[in-house]
Amino acid sequence: DQQVKQNSPSLSVQEGRISILNCDYTNSMFDYFLWYKKYPAEGPTFLISISSIKDKNEDGRFTVFLNKSAKHLSLHIVPSQPGDSAVYFCAASVRGGSEKLVFGKGTKLTVNP
Amino acid sequence: SQTIHQWPATLVQPVGSPLSLECTVEGTSNPNLYWYRQAAGRGLQLLFYSVGIGQISSEVPQNLSASRPQDRQFILSSKKLLLSDSGFYLCAWTRGDRGLTGANVLTFGAGSRLTVL
Repeated sequence: DQQVKQNSPSLSVQEGRISILNCDYTNSMFDYFLWYKKYPAEGPTFLISISSIKDKNEDGRFTVFLNKSAKHLSLHIVPSQPGDSAVYFCAASVRGGSEKLVFGKGTKLTVNP
Repeated sequence: SQTIHQWPATLVQPVGSPLSLECTVEGTSNPNLYWYRQAAGRGLQLLFYSVGIGQISSEVPQNLSASRPQDRQFILSSKKLLLSDSGFYLCAWTRGDRGLTGANVLTFGAGSRLTVL
């Protein structure tokens, strides 16, 4: 049973526009959420996170929104740049509890010049 | 600063051969260590994690095993590889002293591409 779902395997946007990547989760115990970015043949790198006590966290061009009632989070990238082209993974954990992060399958973002 | 090293970067092995992937972390002590696998179309799957020397938790039944012979060393092994073991293997770490309020932000190594033929 997949606890973290990224239902869009790919997304293509034009440079300068907004990219919106979505993630849904099923485990109501999750209270900490992260986004990772991965280039081919490299390890994922941490991008941004949000705790369940917040509904928004912003870091430069990247904003993560959390809707706990819908068990949904999204990553907004504004404006999108060609260098943002990568696979984005959503991950969730129980803060202070399990030592494990549960990842979604990832969404491949392509930003076209 | 902390760094994580993982090797080999690429590996092509025949079915039935053994496997050993090694991961070391520098600049920290008592880290939590993880092995993940990214198989085609399947995202990042947690295979093993360790909170201390000799302490290994397995997440999925499989043909692989893990060991932690030293505090900052994590090894992924197999006695006989299967075709289905092909994938991109990632080692990762977090601070082991996060306490109950610590955030579980993983730092990943560069990965090891394994192809089993």
